[in-house]
Amino acid sequence: AQSVTQLGSHVSVSEGALVLLRCNYSSSVPPYLFWYVQYPNQGLQLLLKYTSAATLVKGINGFEAEFKKSETSFHLTKPSAHMSDAAEYFCAVSSDTGRRALTFGSGTRLQVQP
Amino acid sequence: DSGVTQTPKHLITATGQRVTLRCSPRSGDLSVYWYQQSLDQGLQFLIQYYNGEERAKGNILERFSAQQFPDLHSELNLSSLELGDSALYFCASSVDLAGGRETQYFGPGTRLLVL
Repeated sequence: AQSVTQLGSHVSVSEGALVLLRCNYSSSVPPYLFWYVQYPNQGLQLLLKYTSAATLVKGINGFEAEFKKSETSFHLTKPSAHMSDAAEYFCAVSSDTGRRALTFGSGTRLQVQP
Repeated sequence: DSGVTQTPKHLITATGQRVTLRCSPRSGDLSVYWYQQSLDQGLQFLIQYYNGEERAKGNILERFSAQQFPDLHSELNLSSLELGDSALYFCASSVDLAGGRETQYFGPGTRLLVL
């Protein structure tokens, strides 16, 4: 079975500050990991994904994430927050064996203070 | 715009009723996934279809069913609705690359309110 834990349901940062959203996964097989963003009243948009190539993955809007197998983590970072980054962020896992549908974490709501 | 369309955007109905949610995948995508997003359960996978055939089932209730048609659009049927079925229902589509690493593209969702 696969699962994802997102630490912190709410994160608040100041504009220009570092954004760090935490994600830990559990998987008995090599995982594929995804970060999606959901803006109010919209669907989910892919920010980035890890599929066993480079462990440091760069995504859209200046976000990146690093796959750390030893820590079973896939934390999302952005050096400098912008007001437009305010949204809900979801970490998800799938794999190439067993269930290929996404298993999502509970989400982290990011607030950006001016 | 992900290229995945869902109709209707909003749906208000009463307990005990039946509704149908429709999804059109991105051009060329053969896989369609349905997810439910609710406050208490979060985002949960319901069911997947690939080229007209059911491929995987998640936490889908027996009162719910889905199908994918020859033109690849999909419908999710929810019957005997209960208050707890109120949620946002997403459809996602993907190409079917080997290994499950493919990106799933999500539609804007259908917000269902059961009164």
